[in-house]
Amino acid sequence: GQNIDQPTEMTATEGAIVQINCTYQTSGFNGLFWYQQHAGEAPTFLSYNVLDGLEEKGRFSSFLSRSKGYSYLLLKELQMKDSASYLCAVTDSNYQLIWGAGTKLIIKP
Amino acid sequence: ETGVTQTPRHLVMGMTNKKSLKCEQHLGHNAMYWYKQSAKKPLELMFVYNFKEQTENNSVPSRFSPECPNSSHLFLHLHTLQPEDSALYLCASSQELAGGPTDTQYFGPGTRLTVL
Repeated sequence: GQNIDQPTEMTATEGAIVQINCTYQTSGFNGLFWYQQHAGEAPTFLSYNVLDGLEEKGRFSSFLSRSKGYSYLLLKELQMKDSASYLCAVTDSNYQLIWGAGTKLIIKP
Repeated sequence: ETGVTQTPRHLVMGMTNKKSLKCEQHLGHNAMYWYKQSAKKPLELMFVYNFKEQTENNSVPSRFSPECPNSSHLFLHLHTLQPEDSALYLCASSQELAGGPTDTQYFGPGTRLTVL
């Protein structure tokens, strides 16, 4: 079966750095997405990785290792508004998007 | 209007009612999707349309009936639902259906559905 694993919940402090991990087992790989979803709102696109390595976009970075079936989202200089769920999703060989259950990130002052 | 819009935002219905959810995208995209989101579970893909043609139906019960009259509009018709169908229903669109960053999906705000 196809599976995406993420921690259910994480807590971090304002101004700190947090890393949210995602591991996947899918039939093929055609890209990995990270989305942010605030409570009661739509998921919004954060990043896309298809090649190994780090993609940096402001305070957010996303890393991919295809050989390990592993990605992480790194959030720096955390702000209270970063409190949200972070969803990892992988496009498989049939170009179906397989979603993780999301990681709820709680930021404390 | 920008992005992807959905109406209504909240809906309460009885098991014998018939209602419809509406989605409209203003992005010029070719593919549209319906998802079900339940608490602490992954997004469940329900239906996919590409250029108005349905390409995916993930074993969704017949009490959910999609309609895509054109590339900008998507409906989900609901009838004789069950309490376990209560969830957030999200619509999304993407430029293309498959491959690369052009299949990045953009989501509407969702309809919070409660079935009594």
